Amino acid sequence: EPEVTQTPSHQVTQMGQEVILRCVPISNHLYFYWYRQILGQKVEFLVSFYNNEISEKSEIFDDQFSVERPDGSNFTLKIRSTKLEDSAMYFCASSPSGLAINEQFFGPGTRLTVL
Amino acid sequence: AQSVTQLGSHVSVSEGALVLLRCNYSSSVPPYLFWYVQYPNQGLQLLLKYTSAATLVKGINGFEAEFKKSETSFHLTKPSAHMSDAAEYFCAVSEWSEGAQKLVFGQGTRLTINP
Repeated sequence: EPEVTQTPSHQVTQMGQEVILRCVPISNHLYFYWYRQILGQKVEFLVSFYNNEISEKSEIFDDQFSVERPDGSNFTLKIRSTKLEDSAMYFCASSPSGLAINEQFFGPGTRLTVL
Repeated sequence: AQSVTQLGSHVSVSEGALVLLRCNYSSSVPPYLFWYVQYPNQGLQLLLKYTSAATLVKGINGFEAEFKKSETSFHLTKPSAHMSDAAEYFCAVSEWSEGAQKLVFGQGTRLTINP
């Protein structure tokens, strides 16, 4: 069964460093998402992406964040200069369409620890 | 904006007992509602979803949920808990805006099964 994969499973970085979190969505899906979950808090929407453009982004997704689909299979989230408060579990998701009725398929997450 | 509230961050039941996980939503339009489960070290997996076709929705692993508009609720139940049901459960409502979908999650409920 097709699944969303994410690498790495755990990333430790120093404050101020750049990190890139990688995701491989399900191959025939067209919409891609990033969510994050700070320990003990809700899963929060960060950004949606379709047709090589951001469709919507939350207030969390500031200028330090960017997304890219560099090669038609990978979908990446870059944080330019990490802060302590960026420590969280980051989930990638994909769906075949952007309709509200659709299920989103989630990856296992990348745990980011900023020291 | 839509929102979801899950009552009880931790629920503990005995093996064989009824499982009841509570979810209330707030939405100005007929909602699409989802229950996801997260097993340790895995991604979010869809248990079931409400799309207005039927108020009682059956999902995987013996779970079901009933949509009650008058109570703005979508509680998740399972008649007899199994040890393998131990996981974190997330209720979510789907929003559509800016040409794409996003999920708005509750804070999650950790289910523990006692032998």
